[in-house]
Amino acid sequence: GAVVSQHPSWVICKSGTSVKIECRSLDFQATTMFWYRQFPKQSLMLMATSNEGSKATYEQGVEKDKFLINHASLTLSTLTVTSAHPEDSSFYICSAMFDGETQYFGPGTRLLVL
Amino acid sequence: GQQVMQIPQYQHVQEGEDFTTYCNSSTTLSNIQWYKQRPGGHPVFLIQLVKSGEVKKQKRLTFQFGEAKKNSSLHITATQTTDVGTYFCAGHGNKLVFGAGTILRVKS
Repeated sequence: GAVVSQHPSWVICKSGTSVKIECRSLDFQATTMFWYRQFPKQSLMLMATSNEGSKATYEQGVEKDKFLINHASLTLSTLTVTSAHPEDSSFYICSAMFDGETQYFGPGTRLLVL
Repeated sequence: GQQVMQIPQYQHVQEGEDFTTYCNSSTTLSNIQWYKQRPGGHPVFLIQLVKSGEVKKQKRLTFQFGEAKKNSSLHITATQTTDVGTYFCAGHGNKLVFGAGTILRVKS
C-alpha cells in the first residue's frame, strides 16, 4: 500500500517552454503533498508543501511564479515549471502523506532543459 | 533555521564489515526518519523514531534516537551488496529537513 506515482518519469524540453509534472497517490488520499528537488549526489530540497484545495506553501528562495503547484484533489498534485531554463534541470520528486507522519515518495521526474 | 547535518558523506566498506551513519540536528526534533535511496531510484522510507533514547531494529539495521532528540544514527551490521545506496536522515522540527545523505558502497 501507500503507492505514489509520478508522470512523466523523464522529460526533455527546450528552454522557454513549460513542463507539467503530475503526482498521484494511487491507493490512499493524501492530506498533504510535498515537492522536492534533488541535484546529482545531493540531498532533497523541499520546494513546497501543498494541501488539497488551498494554496501551496513555498520554501524560502523558491519562486512561486516559476514553480506553479496545483493540488486539485486528495490524490493529485501538479508541479508546472514555467519558462524552463537549463538551470531548472533537476530531479523532481513528490511525496504524499495521509497519516501526518510518514511521507511516501514518488519515483521522481528527471527534467532536462536544453 | 533548522539544519540537519549527516556524516560521513561517503563510505566504502568490504562486504561483511559494519557501517554507521550519524545525523545531528541544530534543533530539538519531534521525530527523525530514515530513508534509503538506491542509485537512480527514489527515497524509500525505512523507519521513524519518536521517543528520546529510542532504539529500533530491522534485521541487520539498528536505529537510535538520542536522549536530547537532536541526533540519531543508523548502524548496519555485516553489510551486504544489497545495502548499497544513499541513506538519508530527515529531522522533523516544524518541517521535515533532510540531511545530505551518506553514500554507501559495498565491495564484495
